[in-house]
Amino acid sequence: DSGVTQTPKHLITATGQRVTLRCSPRSGDLSVYWYQQSLDQGLQFLIQYYNGEERAKGNILERFSAQQFPDLHSELNLSSLELGDSALYFCASSVASQGLMGEQYFGPGTRLTVT
Amino acid sequence: AQTVTQSQPEMSVQEAETVTLSCTYDTSESDYYLFWYKQPPSRQMILVIRQEAYKQQNATENRFSVNFQKAAKSFSLKISDSQLGDAAMYFCAYRSPSGTYKYIFGTGTRLKVLA
Repeated sequence: DSGVTQTPKHLITATGQRVTLRCSPRSGDLSVYWYQQSLDQGLQFLIQYYNGEERAKGNILERFSAQQFPDLHSELNLSSLELGDSALYFCASSVASQGLMGEQYFGPGTRLTVT
Repeated sequence: AQTVTQSQPEMSVQEAETVTLSCTYDTSESDYYLFWYKQPPSRQMILVIRQEAYKQQNATENRFSVNFQKAAKSFSLKISDSQLGDAAMYFCAYRSPSGTYKYIFGTGTRLKVLA
């Protein structure tokens, strides 16, 4: 158990819908990262938050947005869903900061299926 | 910009034998962090081993060890006495010690362990 929790574990929805994925980082971790992993693909970095502020953006679509709340949990919002958005979405957290190694710890992922 | 390359999409090893997975990276920084993550069929991402660039000594975790060649920008993972449970995707990752704290992942190597 990495200490990172993600809900829900599975999500099945229809095209055009909107969903929210939730992540709670490990206690003490200030950084939260979101990744998308399609079947048999590598990890696509979406976005990173550090202590409530957006820190880095990757290949995140305009239909996707995220935020990190004062209690440090994060939500990833996916809207106008398409079949191609079906994937495993990982959240990871880290204590990463200046001078600290801050290895990432991953949650179990949310499997999104768009039908 | 930093890049991470895993040139072996797939590797096979006989049970109880030793296998080495390759990873090269490109960076202009002198200090950084490197990681290997394992993703078994359960799709959970698990941290295997980590290395700080300023440490010359290669990291070791039980049957897992790295060969870190800083000048060559190479960070290979050696798995000794391979077990069936080692079958997984293995991802190499790089993190800068400052800035955005963003992680850069390679495309992964699928390891098959033959009984």
